[in-house]
Amino acid sequence: QVQLVQSGAEVKKPGASVRLSCKTSGYTFTTYYIHWVRQAPGQGLQWLGIINPSGGSTNYAQNFQGRVTMTSDTSTSTVYMELSSLRSDDTAVFYCARGGYCSSTSCHPANAFDIWGQGTLVTVSS
Amino acid sequence: EVVLTQSPGTLSLSPGERATLSCRASQSLSSDYIAWYQQKPGQAPRLLIFAASSRATGIPDRFRGSGSGTEFTLTISRLEPEDFAVYYCQRFGSSFQYSFGQGTKLEIK
Repeated sequence: QVQLVQSGAEVKKPGASVRLSCKTSGYTFTTYYIHWVRQAPGQGLQWLGIINPSGGSTNYAQNFQGRVTMTSDTSTSTVYMELSSLRSDDTAVFYCARGGYCSSTSCHPANAFDIWGQGTLVTVSS
Repeated sequence: EVVLTQSPGTLSLSPGERATLSCRASQSLSSDYIAWYQQKPGQAPRLLIFAASSRATGIPDRFRGSGSGTEFTLTISRLEPEDFAVYYCQRFGSSFQYSFGQGTKLEIK
């Protein structure tokens, strides 16, 4: 079945960077976009950005531009998200989610997020 | 930037009752680009509704999405114990703009 499996919890110090992974399976990796969404403790959902695994094109939320980098590895069907210059208020659960697709002729990034990873807790603390 | 405002913030109801959750957009949106998610504690969100009114795979028919323009609604016709959770609306568009409402917590009365 379609699955997104994320890497394990991380503890980082302020100013450091964190790199999270999202391994996909059960579908053609290059056909669907992957998004990253953040959820601070007790808070709502915040979109960070999107990557097209076919070619690696990205688009980031304005609030995170300059601090976030998303990449993809087609050999392992895995997407990565790196967040730099971590602050204590970056403490959150980070989710990857599948949404949007590319056909043989065109791409359609504007779609709901139908499959989600289990989430990765990132704790930023000195 | 389009802002989604959900109401109420918390809704207290009993099993068997009907729940009506609202999502208001700061400007008119295409219904094609509205979704609803359910999130239970410690779990990832789950897609319930896409294109404002289409149920995702495996979602019971007691969940119904409706609306257009700036007003969208998620209705749960007869609440089951497993329906008590937080619900988020979401908008997305062709210009890589994705955002969520702040959520409505549906709790047992």
